[in-house]
Amino acid sequence: EIVLTQSPATLSLSPGERVTLSCRASQSVSSNLAWYQQKSGQAPRLLIYDASNRATGIPARFSGSGSGTDFTLTISSLEPEDFAVYYCQQRSNWPLTFGGGTKVEIK
Amino acid sequence: EVQLVETGGGLIQPGGSLRLSCSASGFTVSRNHINWVRQAPGKGLEWVSVIYSVGSTYYAESVKGRFTISRDSSKNTLYLQMNSLRAEDTAVYYCAKDLAVAGSGGVFDYWGQGTLVTVSP
Repeated sequence: EIVLTQSPATLSLSPGERVTLSCRASQSVSSNLAWYQQKSGQAPRLLIYDASNRATGIPARFSGSGSGTDFTLTISSLEPEDFAVYYCQQRSNWPLTFGGGTKVEIK
Repeated sequence: EVQLVETGGGLIQPGGSLRLSCSASGFTVSRNHINWVRQAPGKGLEWVSVIYSVGSTYYAESVKGRFTISRDSSKNTLYLQMNSLRAEDTAVYYCAKDLAVAGSGGVFDYWGQGTLVTVSP
C-alpha cells in the first residue's frame, strides 16, 4: 500500500498569505495524484487531479505541482473560504489511498 | 446538474448488516465508475470500493468479503451492502463519481453529502 504523508499537519495563516502544502508518497505515483478540500461538515471537493490539472470551477489561485514522490499544492493568496482541511490522494496503485490531511486554520 | 444522495445509514449492532443507497441524477450510473469512500469521526478519508462502468468491482482489504457494491440501472442507484459490521466500520460513507468513464479512473469529481453509519452495542 502506498502511504501518503502530508505536512505540516496544521498551518495557521492569515487571509492574503501564500500557502504551500506538501504530500510525499512512499513510492512513485508518477503524476497520479489529486488534491481535495474539505470544509467542516461537508463532503470533499476535487481541486487538482493528475498533479497539476485544476478541476472544473476551481479558482486559478489553486495550483499543483510535482511528480514521482513529492507533490505540492499552492494557494497563491488565501481567501476566507479557503480555510479547510486538504487531502492528497493517489490512484497509481491499489488500494487508492489518501494522505492524513493538512488543516489550514485562521491565525 | 450532477447530484448524489446517500441514504440508509444509522445505528447498528456489531455483526449486523446495513445497505446504503446512493441515488444519482444528472448522469448515468451504469456508464460511470462510482466509488464509496468513508471517513471515521474526526479522521481522514478511506477508499472503500469501486464499481467500474463495465461492471467489475474492487474493495479495500479492510472490507473485502464483508461489503458488496452493486448498482441498479433502472433506478440509477448505487448500493453498498455491508455485512458483519464492526465498530471500526463506524464512519460517514460517501459515494463519489469518478472523473473518468473508462480506464482505471481514481479521481473523484462529485461527492454526495454522506450518510453516517454507527456500529455500537
